[in-house]
Amino acid sequence: SQQGEEDPQALSIQEGENATMNCSYKTSINNLQWYRQNSGRGLVHLILIRSNEREKHSGRLRVTLDTSKKSSSLLITASRAADTASYFCATDDQAGGAQKLVFGQGTRLTINP
Amino acid sequence: EPEVTQTPSHQVTQMGQEVILRCVPISNHLYFYWYRQILGQKVEFLVSFYNNEISEKSEIFDDQFSVERPDGSNFTLKIRSTKLEDSAMYFCASSLDRGGGYTFGSGTRLTVV
Repeated sequence: SQQGEEDPQALSIQEGENATMNCSYKTSINNLQWYRQNSGRGLVHLILIRSNEREKHSGRLRVTLDTSKKSSSLLITASRAADTASYFCATDDQAGGAQKLVFGQGTRLTINP
Repeated sequence: EPEVTQTPSHQVTQMGQEVILRCVPISNHLYFYWYRQILGQKVEFLVSFYNNEISEKSEIFDDQFSVERPDGSNFTLKIRSTKLEDSAMYFCASSLDRGGGYTFGSGTRLTVV
């Protein structure tokens, strides 16, 4: 089954540095989404990139998508302590006409002050 | 900003008991979902709901589970006879259309003892 798999599983950087997280998946997709989850909290939608898009920006976030390699990256520039969270990529699956997201294991990002 | 509201935030129940998890999706959204996340594991799809019927369900969503939209605002997940392995965070989500981003609620942490 298709999956979004992130790497690294954990990333620890200093405040102000850039953080890059990668995601790979297995099958064709219509879109790929990135979510953030603070510990024990809900999922916050960050950005959606469609299969015909290669790059998308939102504030300090930059997402790329390479459908030939079935991979995506999330870059957070000028990181802040508040960016500490787990980040998940999720690919859509429109099998059967419905929509569901398939999540990866996530990357735990720690920003050290 | 519109939110998906879930209640309760935390529920403890005895094995074998029935639980109902409640959600109020965003009012103009048309697609509704339940996902769950067992501690330390991936977010997993349970069920999608559109036009007052289930669009798709996963293998996890067996006969013990049911969903209902009893009125124009609430969306519920019922677990008929809880098992220890049902302990997880349950997330409700809604989306305006297929292929778009989801808005997730903050989740209900279900603990079965």
